[in-house]
Amino acid sequence: QVQLQESGPGLVKPSETLSLTCTVSGGSIRSYYWSWIRQPPGKGLEWIGEIKYSESSNYSPSLKSRVTMSGDTSKNELSLKLSSVTAADTAVYYCARNGPTGYSFDYWGQGTLVTVSS
Amino acid sequence: DIQMTQSPSSLSASVGDRVTITCRASQSINSHLNWYQQKPGKAPKLLIYSASSLQSGGPSRFSASGSGTDFTLTISSLQPEDFATYYCQQSYGTPFTFGQGTKLEIK
Repeated sequence: QVQLQESGPGLVKPSETLSLTCTVSGGSIRSYYWSWIRQPPGKGLEWIGEIKYSESSNYSPSLKSRVTMSGDTSKNELSLKLSSVTAADTAVYYCARNGPTGYSFDYWGQGTLVTVSS
Repeated sequence: DIQMTQSPSSLSASVGDRVTITCRASQSINSHLNWYQQKPGKAPKLLIYSASSLQSGGPSRFSASGSGTDFTLTISSLQPEDFATYYCQQSYGTPFTFGQGTKLEIK
């Protein structure tokens, strides 16, 4: 059973960089694409981007200039960095697997709330 | 970007009712459409992939159909645990996009 767990600071100051980690168990990050998705409080879901280790990454055009995704196979972890954050980046951040069935998001982490505030 | 529009945005129904949620894409996405259920404070859960395939372990009262630009999710007989928010999502191309959600509430 694949499990994902996000971790990172719950509070980030405006203009700083948000950094999150997604630890994957029960499967290798070398397989499949893995996505980051966020959800502002009370709002809908926004796809941030995806990465397949050592192959490629794709980012949402609206966030592309501020996003970096990477993977660490030694720890089986994914990371997300979002620079120059503002209050609009306050959200629950999820990592998810782009599964083999319809390229859907078949496994999700529980999510971590990141608040941008001074 | 492909825009996904769900209707209705909210829906009140009773246990045992049959309900249908609609999702429309701004361009043809063939059958690259997935449905998720989200309960408060929880991550979304995949229900349906490729427009009509029930995810493993999903209750058979959930069904879905459509292709091109118009899709539907149907719950044949609402159960108490089905009251949640439902999202459609296109996997036709990046950036992957979601509908705005349909909140299903108890009448």
